[in-house]
Amino acid sequence: NAGVTQTPKFRILKIGQSMTLQCTQDMNHNYMYWYRQDPGMGLKLIYYSVGAGITDKGEVPNGYNVSRSTTEDFPLRLELAAPSQTSVYFCASSYTQPNTGELFFGEGSRLTVL
Amino acid sequence: KNEVEQSPQNLTAQEGEFITINCSYSVGISALHWLQQHPGGGIVSLFMLSSGKKKHGRLIATINIQEKHSSLHITASHPRDSAVYICAALYGGSQGNLIFGKGTKLSVKP
Repeated sequence: NAGVTQTPKFRILKIGQSMTLQCTQDMNHNYMYWYRQDPGMGLKLIYYSVGAGITDKGEVPNGYNVSRSTTEDFPLRLELAAPSQTSVYFCASSYTQPNTGELFFGEGSRLTVL
Repeated sequence: KNEVEQSPQNLTAQEGEFITINCSYSVGISALHWLQQHPGGGIVSLFMLSSGKKKHGRLIATINIQEKHSSLHITASHPRDSAVYICAALYGGSQGNLIFGKGTKLSVKP
């Protein structure tokens, strides 16, 4: 089982460039999330989705955009990359709300903005 | 402000030791997750608790709602248990906004 697949695993961007982090899950999960993990800090929620066509902001959405056109895919778009977006990004999914179900994480994408 | 505090930040143990990692949180959570982050960076879910105690192999997770505290225990620790252990609390009413602790880095020496 593939589970949650994120690409790319590593990427270096220059300031002002844009890119999309891809996330795909094959478990037919309704709920999908994007988190960022900074050194010494807990994961922070960027955006989440409760189903195809429905997305909402999390705690730290500025500088990012998402879309959810299918149940499987939840890409994260970085526009005009800034050094503050240097981080490790994790995509996650769950079948139900996090208070009733297990979370499944991707392997992470390490992004450096120079 | 809803917060999650973990202790200790770092923990070194000898193989075979009993290990306890603590997590405290503010009022009103509806669930608490324990996660394991491997040295390579991947994160896996260990437990989801809303009350009581859960056990899986050598891992035991407990939660005390009144004391706003959860613990993760590892019995007969092994070097392969070396990882960062993260607790995350789901505060009531939010669908996706888990609040994560900073993690406890565990190193088990042979």
